[in-house]
Amino acid sequence: ETVMTQSPASLSVSPGERATLSCRASQSISNNLAWYQQKPGQAPRLLIYGASTRATVIPARFSGSGSGTEFTLTISSLQSEDFAVYYCQQYKNWPRTFGQGTKVEIK
Amino acid sequence: EVQLLESGGGLVQPGGSLRLSCSASGFTFSSFTMYWVRQAPGKGLEWVSGTSGSGHSRYYADSVGGRFTISRDNSKNTLSLQMNSLRAEDTAIYFCAKDHDSGGPFDPWGRGTLVTVSS
Repeated sequence: ETVMTQSPASLSVSPGERATLSCRASQSISNNLAWYQQKPGQAPRLLIYGASTRATVIPARFSGSGSGTEFTLTISSLQSEDFAVYYCQQYKNWPRTFGQGTKVEIK
Repeated sequence: EVQLLESGGGLVQPGGSLRLSCSASGFTFSSFTMYWVRQAPGKGLEWVSGTSGSGHSRYYADSVGGRFTISRDNSKNTLSLQMNSLRAEDTAIYFCAKDHDSGGPFDPWGRGTLVTVSS
């Protein structure tokens, strides 16, 4: 099983500041990496796939990078609606696996 | 517009069974791999199972293998999850999700159905 490890577990950021979230895979997954955003009481929403491609209607302030085993999600200027939990997920191998999540909180 | 609507959740006793359904619309259902993902209260996401468009290939997390069975009826655009020998740790919101158009990531997701396993 490919274990996905996210860091940090939580992040306190002021509106307008940059947030950087990390995700590490236990083995190479090439660029088969997605990022999701989940707000309380809602289903997850796809933000980034292919490690760096924004999904439909996702704002340009969200960007992804990395390949192999190390990946990063950057939110360039946090807006109020961005405070949420973010998950990475690999889709190269079965079983599909998620990281444990990073909660982005208002500072 | 793609829509996924889960149903079938509820309260069940340990050792019991439950069948979840996901009704899909807005896309060619038989062309896409479909998934079940769950989220225990206050916890993260856990992938549960997936099935290819034809239904011939099925995949399971170790935590549910041998107890859960995924299936699909492409004539009715419906994905199902038969859950047997349920345990307290199976308590979660169960989401169904569609393979992204590019293949691989999950997009979109349904709103989920709550399964509670308790005596």
